[in-house]
Amino acid sequence: DTGVSQDPRHKITKRGQNVTFRCDPISEHNRLYWYRQTLGQGPEFLTYFQNEAQLEKSRLLSDRFSAERPKGSFSTLEIQRTEQGDSAMYLCASSLRLASDNEQFFGPGTRLTVL
Amino acid sequence: GESVGLHLPTLSVQEGDNSIINCAYSNSASDYFIWYKQESGKGPQFIIDIRSNMDKRQGQRVTVLLNKTVKHLSLQIAATQPGDSAVYFCAENSGDYKLSFGAGTTVTVRA
Repeated sequence: DTGVSQDPRHKITKRGQNVTFRCDPISEHNRLYWYRQTLGQGPEFLTYFQNEAQLEKSRLLSDRFSAERPKGSFSTLEIQRTEQGDSAMYLCASSLRLASDNEQFFGPGTRLTVL
Repeated sequence: GESVGLHLPTLSVQEGDNSIINCAYSNSASDYFIWYKQESGKGPQFIIDIRSNMDKRQGQRVTVLLNKTVKHLSLQIAATQPGDSAVYFCAENSGDYKLSFGAGTTVTVRA
């Protein structure tokens, strides 16, 4: 257990529905990252935050995706009007951004299946 | 585009032998590299990292080697154990510590 938790662990939804995932990082970590991982592939960067500020969104993220970190602690990732191609593992990672270190600790992920 | 990749998708190793997992990267400006281990149903777990101003770094039973001339990264695991069976990813800093991962090597340890 890395100390990063994600909820839910599994989500099955029908195409067109909205889903929201939550990530609770390690408490003192100021950086929070979202990645997506499909079967047999490495994680792909989606977006990241420093405290409550969203610093960048990947071009992989369509307008149907939105992420927030309102108080600089937990974060949510929402997918609107889900599509079958959204089926993947969604991973959250956190780090304490220092000049000399930025080790990212990953949560267990939320596995999304869109039917 | 520039990316991180691994040479072999699978590696089978006898228990007790040493394992070597390779990774090629294409971004010569990358300054930070990390190896992660991912077990089934879990998120990636940090193993070891190395900065571009180093060519070797050792941890407990693991060694990472960086050859910037040929843009090659390797992970050596000494005395491989059954618990080392997992998928191993190399990753690089693609800017401000956003990580770019390769596709992974599945390591299977034979008893």
